This record gives sequence, structure tokens and C-alpha cells, in this order.
Amino acid sequence: AQSVTQPDIHITVSEGASLELRCNYSYGATPYLFWYVQSPGQGLQLLLKYFSGDTLVQGIKGFEAEFKRSQSSFNLRKPSVHWSDAAEYFCAVGAGDYKLSFGAGTTVTVRA
Amino acid sequence: SAVISQKPSRDICQRGTSLTIQCQVDSQVTMMFWYRQQPGQSLTLIATANQGSEATYESGFVIDKFPISRPNLTFSTLTVSNMSPEDSSIYLCSVSTGQGETQYFGPGTRLLVL
Repeated sequence: AQSVTQPDIHITVSEGASLELRCNYSYGATPYLFWYVQSPGQGLQLLLKYFSGDTLVQGIKGFEAEFKRSQSSFNLRKPSVHWSDAAEYFCAVGAGDYKLSFGAGTTVTVRA
Repeated sequence: SAVISQKPSRDICQRGTSLTIQCQVDSQVTMMFWYRQQPGQSLTLIATANQGSEATYESGFVIDKFPISRPNLTFSTLTVSNMSPEDSSIYLCSVSTGQGETQYFGPGTRLLVL
């Protein structure tokens, strides 16, 4: 079965600084990979997804992620963080059965 | 994508009672799912709601505790039965439109059991 690890429970970043959130997965083949964001009191919003092709994918709100097969990683990045990016971020992996496995999540705090 | 609504958005319930959560989608979808997010935790899949047949439950979840209905391709309900404080969670409905395995989530139902 597939699994997802998000090594960082909590990250604090200054507004305007860059952000990188780590995600490692375990799966024998090329998985479907996703990043979701959950703002306080909200549901999950899809930021971006990777199925195949170009390993650098662009998403909404200025986020991008890079799939690295050799490292089994799918890290999320944003060049310049805004205060509204404070939220919980979840990495998820799908293995072809329409079920998603989620990582534990990373809480991002943005300081002024 | 799909627009998903859930009712109620939040509720406070007494132990021993049951609550039914509704999930409505603005278009017909292939797959519908129910997740639980316990306080401070990640999402755990409860079951896949199958149209016209019994839901498929994940390990640790049973039909008697979480009965699910899916009468058509745009609507599903999840009932949390005989509630205890341990059932206090956010319950999320999601749908897959069949494009890869992308799932879109509803806003969630925040349940507090006293």
C-alpha cells in the first residue's frame, strides 16, 4: 500500500520569504500526487497535481511542486509567501484505485 | 472541478444520538467518498459511497456505526450513529470526476459530541 510522509509538522516563515514543504511517498510505481491546502475552518482545496509528464507542475496561488522519482519526493514551493498562505498543507498519493492516502500535514505560520 | 455542499456545516450533539450529514454535488460524479479528520489529525477514509449498492468501508469502520446512502450520482449521506465524544471530528465528503484520481472536497461538517 502507498504511504506519505510529511517530515515537517510546523513551519514558520516571514512574509515575502520563500517556502518549501517536503513530501515523500512510498509506492512501487509512479503514483498520482497531490497537494491540498486547508485554511482554518475550511475544507480542502486542491493546489496542484501530478500524473505524468513534466515533473515541475504549476498550481494555483503561485505554488509549484517538483516530482523527483529518484528521491520519491514531491515538494511544494512558493517563491514569496503572503500572510493569507497561513494554513495546513496536505500531500496525498493515489495508487490507481481512486483512494487517496494523506500525509499528516504541515502547518504554516506566516509572520509579519 | 465540482462544487460540493455539505449540511450541516457544524453541530453539537449529545452522546448516544445520531447525526446524518448530507453531501450534494452540482454535477454527476463517478465516485464519492467520506473522510474523517479528528482534531489536529490528517484525513482518514471512512468509505466509498457506491451508487445503487452498499458502501465499501475501510478497515476500522463499519456500516452499523457509519451507514451511508447514495441514491443517485449527485447526492450521498453519512450517518454517525450512537455518538460518543470520540466521534467529535470534521467529516468531509469528496468526489472524483474521473480525471486521474483527483478528488474535490466539500467544506466539511464540524461535529462536537458532548
